[in-house]
Amino acid sequence: EAGVAQSPRYKIIEKRQSVAFWCNPISGHATLYWYQQILGQGPKLLIQFQNNGVVDDSQLPKDRFSAERLKGVDSTLKIQPAKLEDSAVYLCASSPPPRLSNTGELFFGEGSRLTVL
Amino acid sequence: GENVEQHPSTLSVQEGDSAVIKCTYSDSASNYFPWYKQELGKRPQLIIDIRSNVGEKKDQRIAVTLNKTAKHFSLHITETQPEDSAVYFCAASLGGRRALTFGSGTRLQVQP
Repeated sequence: EAGVAQSPRYKIIEKRQSVAFWCNPISGHATLYWYQQILGQGPKLLIQFQNNGVVDDSQLPKDRFSAERLKGVDSTLKIQPAKLEDSAVYLCASSPPPRLSNTGELFFGEGSRLTVL
Repeated sequence: GENVEQHPSTLSVQEGDSAVIKCTYSDSASNYFPWYKQELGKRPQLIIDIRSNVGEKKDQRIAVTLNKTAKHFSLHITETQPEDSAVYFCAASLGGRRALTFGSGTRLQVQP
């Protein structure tokens, strides 16, 4: 089975520029998460989707970050304008529906590494 | 919201020794506690998890223990090998499809 796909793998931008990251979850996984992982820290949840609806975006800096999952499959995370402190790896993850798994295991993509200069 | 603290931040052991990583959580309603291993430049991958109705779980050289009263859980790795070197993250959630709250990570170095 194909894993969680993310692109681009690496992105370097200057502060105040914009950037977008794309994620395609494992087929059949209705729940999708975006996490931010700053170097040397654990992943921090930015937003969680269930199908195309937002479950939790309480930690998303909404003045500059936005995310969508219009058709309930792939998702885009956008940052505009970027700040130096946004330099991090942006991890997308998905989880299977309860009928396939009774655990809360997350399946992560390889991540998109953002460097803001 | 949930807060997860993890110790130590770095751990160096000799090959063959045991390693123990400890985490505490704040929300007594949390009931799912996974551990993820992340190798350099790679994605986090689940290595073992435990639910709140179980006190201990083992999988070969890896075990996790949970003390719900004290709100802490630990990862135990026995007979460590160089390929165990990685960053380990604990996490907690309310279960179901709720998002995980991760600890800050422990960098384990196994010296050959």
